[in-house]
Amino acid sequence: DIQMTQSPSSLSASLGDRVTITCRAGQSISSYLNWYQQKPGKAPKLLIYAASNLQSGVPSRFSGSGSGTDFTLTISSLQPEDFATYYCQQSYSTPYTFGQGTKLEIK
Amino acid sequence: EVLLVQSGAEVKKPGESLRISCKGSGYSFTNYWISWVRQVPGKGLEWMGRVDPTDSYTNYSPSFQGHVTISADKSISTAYLQWSSLKASDTAMYYCATEIGSSTNWFDPWGQGTLVTVSS
Repeated sequence: DIQMTQSPSSLSASLGDRVTITCRAGQSISSYLNWYQQKPGKAPKLLIYAASNLQSGVPSRFSGSGSGTDFTLTISSLQPEDFATYYCQQSYSTPYTFGQGTKLEIK
Repeated sequence: EVLLVQSGAEVKKPGESLRISCKGSGYSFTNYWISWVRQVPGKGLEWMGRVDPTDSYTNYSPSFQGHVTISADKSISTAYLQWSSLKASDTAMYYCATEIGSSTNWFDPWGQGTLVTVSS
């Protein structure tokens, strides 16, 4: 299995802040990396696919980058609705695996 | 609109069997794999396995192989996740998701989730 490690596990930030979440794969996964947002009591929602492609309808303040083993999700200016848990997921090979999640909280 | 609608919450006793469902609409159901993802309360996401609705071919995570069965009925655009003998440790939220993409895949959309509670 390909291990996915996110950092940090939790993060406190203020409205308007620029935030970066990192995801590291245990082996090279090319650009086979997706990002999801999950709010309490809700299903995950796709934000970014194939490392850097913004899903339709997702605000442009979200962006993704990276390839190989190191990836980042950046939120350029935090909005109230962005406080949630974020997961990375590799689709390079099955079994697909997720990072442990990063909980983004209001400072 | 592509939509996945899951069956309702279940409360079961250890040792009982269970099948939960995930019905797709708004697209050709056989075009995309359906995956199942587990989320234990307060924990992260775990991929369990997937089914190709075209021919019901399945692919399981080793962590779940032998513990659950994934299937699909393309005639009614529905995928299933079933247990023959539930354990308390199966208590979790279970999501289905459509696996979209060509050379690389991603999960979109997701079902609303089915909460399974196993307790004596």
